[in-house]
Amino acid sequence: AQSVSQHNHHVILSEAASLELGCNYSYGGTVNLFWYVQYPGQHLQLLLKYFSGDPLVKGIKGFEAEFIKSKFSFNLRKPSVQWSDTAEYFCAVTLYGNNRLAFGKGNQVVVIP
Amino acid sequence: NAGVTQTPKFQVLKTGQSMTLQCAQDMNHNSMYWYRQDPGMGLRLIYYSASEGTTDKGEVPNGYNVSRLNKREFSLRLESAAPSQTSVYFCASRTTSRGGNYGYTFGSGTRLTVV
Repeated sequence: AQSVSQHNHHVILSEAASLELGCNYSYGGTVNLFWYVQYPGQHLQLLLKYFSGDPLVKGIKGFEAEFIKSKFSFNLRKPSVQWSDTAEYFCAVTLYGNNRLAFGKGNQVVVIP
Repeated sequence: NAGVTQTPKFQVLKTGQSMTLQCAQDMNHNSMYWYRQDPGMGLRLIYYSASEGTTDKGEVPNGYNVSRLNKREFSLRLESAAPSQTSVYFCASRTTSRGGNYGYTFGSGTRLTVV
């Protein structure tokens, strides 16, 4: 079964620091990759997604992610975080043509002003 | 507004009570999903429906049933609620395209507490 691993569940950093969240998935085949964000008390919102093409994907709010097929990874980055980036971030993967979206356990990110 | 609508937003049940969580989408999406979110566990798939008239079990289906009433609506039923079912429940839908360039849309969630 496909699985998604996110490390460092709790991340605390100061404003203007850089953020990188790791995501690894466990199976081969053509994958579709997503990062979602959940602000406190809200539902999931899509940050960015990768289906094919350029492995460096730019999303909303200054986030980007890089797909490295050889490492089965899809790490999320932001060069300079803001207090408003405090949220939980989820990586999700689905096999091309498959109906199921599998989530990692999430990264709780707290940005200190 | 277009999107996925879930009702209710909050619910408290006693152990053994039953209830149905409602979900409706107005985007003409084929596939619909029910997830539960628990601290430190991420989102886990309970059931999904690839198209109207079909349903399949996900990762954690025990204690739940679903109905895909029509293309718009996908309900989740707890027949006999247990404290272990205390969670936040999210409904989602997505379009299906041959190119695989689909996106998922999530509802705002139902926070369920079973006492």
